[in-house]
Amino acid sequence: QKEVEQNSGPLSVPEGAIASLNCTYSDRGSQSFFWYRQYSGKSPELIMSIYSNGDKEDGRFTAQLNKASQYVSLLIRDSQPSDSATYLCAVSGAAGNKLTFGGGTRVLVKP
Amino acid sequence: KAGVTQTPRYLIKTRGQQVTLSCSPISGHRSVSWYQQTPGQGLQFLFEYFSETQRNKGNFPGRFSGRQFSNSRSEMNVSTLELGDSALYLCASSQDRGGNSPLHFGNGTRLTVT
Repeated sequence: QKEVEQNSGPLSVPEGAIASLNCTYSDRGSQSFFWYRQYSGKSPELIMSIYSNGDKEDGRFTAQLNKASQYVSLLIRDSQPSDSATYLCAVSGAAGNKLTFGGGTRVLVKP
Repeated sequence: KAGVTQTPRYLIKTRGQQVTLSCSPISGHRSVSWYQQTPGQGLQFLFEYFSETQRNKGNFPGRFSGRQFSNSRSEMNVSTLELGDSALYLCASSQDRGGNSPLHFGNGTRLTVT
């Protein structure tokens, strides 16, 4: 079992719709959770961080964390063609542990 | 504030050679992590340095090594290059140790081994 798992996609959504991405992790002691966006040929850029159960909203992005079920999700509202990218989920273990990345979900937003 | 700077951006090397990659973190960031990214394996953790000490290490052979200087700048070295070492090598800095605070990535060094 991989430490951090994501559906590789592609997740195809029409422009203006909501894109829903999921990520599951295996370490129950994980404390910090991050979502990164990576455009083709570019490096990952941080979108959201979330540390406690519940929802966290930032603009069109909402991160949701459920530690009991060991999953974290990302919602992209009003999806735009510029949101087409690979979205990486990253999870840390106990304090001071490394950040482990999932394989990423490719999102395609069609006009 | 300047971002994470990696040099060089591109490298072409021959099997058996060695290579050194450089990373300058964001000012004030004391942790530097290195990742290898390939299409098949995704982002794989190499190692993390904090206060000039290696704090975490991934599952890579000993040919991969690194160090961090007193100004937090870091270098990564790969000796006896193999074809499979062709990848994008990403450096990331953070204020705190691995996982406690977000990583901020540089533009990467794309290494091609022929």
